[in-house]
Amino acid sequence: EPEVTQTPSHQVTQMGQEVILRCVPISNHLYFYWYRQILGQKVEFLVSFYNNEISEKSEIFDDQFSVERPDGSNFTLKIRSTKLEDSAMYFCASSALGQGAGGYTFGSGTRLTVV
Amino acid sequence: QKEVEQDPGPLSVPEGAIVSLNCTYSNSAFQYFMWYRQYSRKGPELLMYTYSSGNKEDGRFTAQVDKSSKYISLFIRDSQPSDSATYLCAMSASGEYSTLTFGKGTMLLVSP
Repeated sequence: EPEVTQTPSHQVTQMGQEVILRCVPISNHLYFYWYRQILGQKVEFLVSFYNNEISEKSEIFDDQFSVERPDGSNFTLKIRSTKLEDSAMYFCASSALGQGAGGYTFGSGTRLTVV
Repeated sequence: QKEVEQDPGPLSVPEGAIVSLNCTYSNSAFQYFMWYRQYSRKGPELLMYTYSSGNKEDGRFTAQVDKSSKYISLFIRDSQPSDSATYLCAMSASGEYSTLTFGKGTMLLVSP
C-alpha cells in the first residue's frame, strides 16, 4: 500500500537553529499538508499546499515557517529559528484529486525536540 | 467553547466488549466526519469516513453522525487487544483538500 514517508523520525535541535522536515507524499497525490501534535494535545493544522502554492494556513504558521516542494517529489517544512514551544510531532499528509477529507494519508511523523 | 470535544480516557474494556467512542462539536458547518486510529509514535490512520448524518458500517466498526445534536460516535464490536490505540475524531466543513479539525483523542485499552 502506498505510504507517505517522513524523515527524520526524530530530530533534536538547539533553540534558534533552523530545521527542515522532509516528506515524500504518495506519488499521484496533488494536495499536501502539514499538521503538528504537541505532546498530550490535539493534532493541529498548519498548512495546505496545492499547485505549488499555499492554499490555506493556520495562525500557528507564522513567518518562521515555510513550505516547499523543491523537486516534484519531496515536500518540506522549514522552521527558521526554532523555539522551545515548537517541540512536537509533525505529520505530513497528502490526498488525491477528488478524494476530499476522507482521502488523507498521514506519514508516521517527525518528532522534533527543541532544547 | 472548544470546536471538537472528546473524552481523553483511558477507556479500559475486556476483550470482546462493545466499545463506544464519542465526540461533540460546535461548528455547524462541519459536514465530513472521520475517525482515525493512532498507535503510539505513529501517524493517524483513517478508519471511517462519513458525510453528513447517518450510519456507516465497516466490519466491526460502525460510525454514527447526528448533526442535529452535533454528536458523532464510533462503535467497535468484539473488541480485540490489537484495537488498543488512541482514537481521534476529525471533521471538516468542505470536501476537496479540506483542513481537518481534530478532537484530542480517546485512549482505548482492550485487555485479553
